[in-house]
Amino acid sequence: QKEVEQNSGPLSVPEGAIASLNCTYSDRVSQSFFWYRQYSGKSPELIMSIYSNGDKEDGRFTAQLNKASQYVSLLIRDSQPSDSATYLCVGLSKGAGSYQLTFGKGTKLSVIP
Amino acid sequence: EADIYQTPRYLVIGTGKKITLECSQTMGHDKMYWYQQDPGMELHLIHYSYGVNSTEKGDLSSESTVSRIRTEHFPLTLESARPSHTSQYLCASSESAVVGELFFGEGSRLTVL
Repeated sequence: QKEVEQNSGPLSVPEGAIASLNCTYSDRVSQSFFWYRQYSGKSPELIMSIYSNGDKEDGRFTAQLNKASQYVSLLIRDSQPSDSATYLCVGLSKGAGSYQLTFGKGTKLSVIP
Repeated sequence: EADIYQTPRYLVIGTGKKITLECSQTMGHDKMYWYQQDPGMELHLIHYSYGVNSTEKGDLSSESTVSRIRTEHFPLTLESARPSHTSQYLCASSESAVVGELFFGEGSRLTVL
């Protein structure tokens, strides 16, 4: 299993719907998780971080972490065309003396007006 | 808005040339990183630095080198460019206390002919 795995999509949702983006991870990646948004031709930008089991809400975004199932998700409520981008799931692991970030390949989201 | 700058944004160069990609940040962050990203693929860490005079290689083997003489500056150098070096290079920085929350520059797209 890859350390951080995402369905590459594309995931298409109509405007106003809930977009659900999912990510699974291996045993080695277990500290914390981050969701980055990357518009086409642009750099990634951090939108959510989650450090413990449960839900974390920030505006229209909710991150969910389930360590027992090794599963992280990002929900986007009231999806807008401006949410169309690739969403990167990123896991943090602690190696010998240092932390390491592992990026997933990303899920491409398309919000249809 | 993140205060991290990369130059050049785009570079087309012939095989065998020496190139330096510049990266500067004005946020006073100790940690700086260079990532490589090919279209549709995940980001791979090629170099990182946790402070002045500290540099380490990342998980992706690279023929490039870096230096960190000043906190704000983290240039990447290729002594002899090859077509296999064609890629997008992303510089990022983070606060020491907040591992995983990266601020990215706009990227340098390198094409080696």
